[in-house]
Amino acid sequence: DVVMTQTPVSLSLAIGQPASISCKSSQSLLGTSGKTFLNWILQRPGQSPKRLIYQVSKLYSEVPDRFSGSGSETEFTLKISRVEAEDLGVYYCWQGTHFPHTFGAGTKLELK
Amino acid sequence: EVQLVESGGGLVQPGRSLKLSCVASGFTFNNYWMTWIRQAPGKGLEWVASITNTGGSTYYPDSVKGRFTISRDNAKSTLYLQMNSLRSEDTATYYCTRVAGGYWGQGVMVTVSS
Repeated sequence: DVVMTQTPVSLSLAIGQPASISCKSSQSLLGTSGKTFLNWILQRPGQSPKRLIYQVSKLYSEVPDRFSGSGSETEFTLKISRVEAEDLGVYYCWQGTHFPHTFGAGTKLELK
Repeated sequence: EVQLVESGGGLVQPGRSLKLSCVASGFTFNNYWMTWIRQAPGKGLEWVASITNTGGSTYYPDSVKGRFTISRDNAKSTLYLQMNSLRSEDTATYYCTRVAGGYWGQGVMVTVSS
């Protein structure tokens, strides 16, 4: 199974500060289609997960452009240019290239 | 607007069965693969099962293979998860998802306990 390793486990940031979360996979997530199925989601407290980014760097339409995703093969990064209050929660990376699909353990973003 | 509404959760004894349903709306259901993902209380996310748009193929992790069955009724725009031989470690909130597009339901809680 592909192991997804997220760091850091938690982040405590003030509003307006940048954030960066790393996600590393134990094998390449480049699929035979030429696409890399690496996704990012955010789970706010008490809510179901919400979509953020798909295929490494593509933002869903409602996601603010202060979010960005980058990376390739086995190393990926989610960045928030300036954290806002609504960004708090747990961020998960997950891969849909290989079965079984697997998730990172999550990064909890707290506001300082 | 895409909506995924799960139902069928509850408290069940170890070894018993439970069937979850997910009614989909706002999109052409039979065009999309569907997936169940679960989250144990206070824990991370775990992929549980996926099914192709026609229902012709299904996929499971080893943790549920042989006990859980994913199925769909495209005429009813409904996804199912039949869970047999339930264990305490199956206690979780189960989410119905459409991975393409990143849509998640609100989740349904399943508690396996005597």
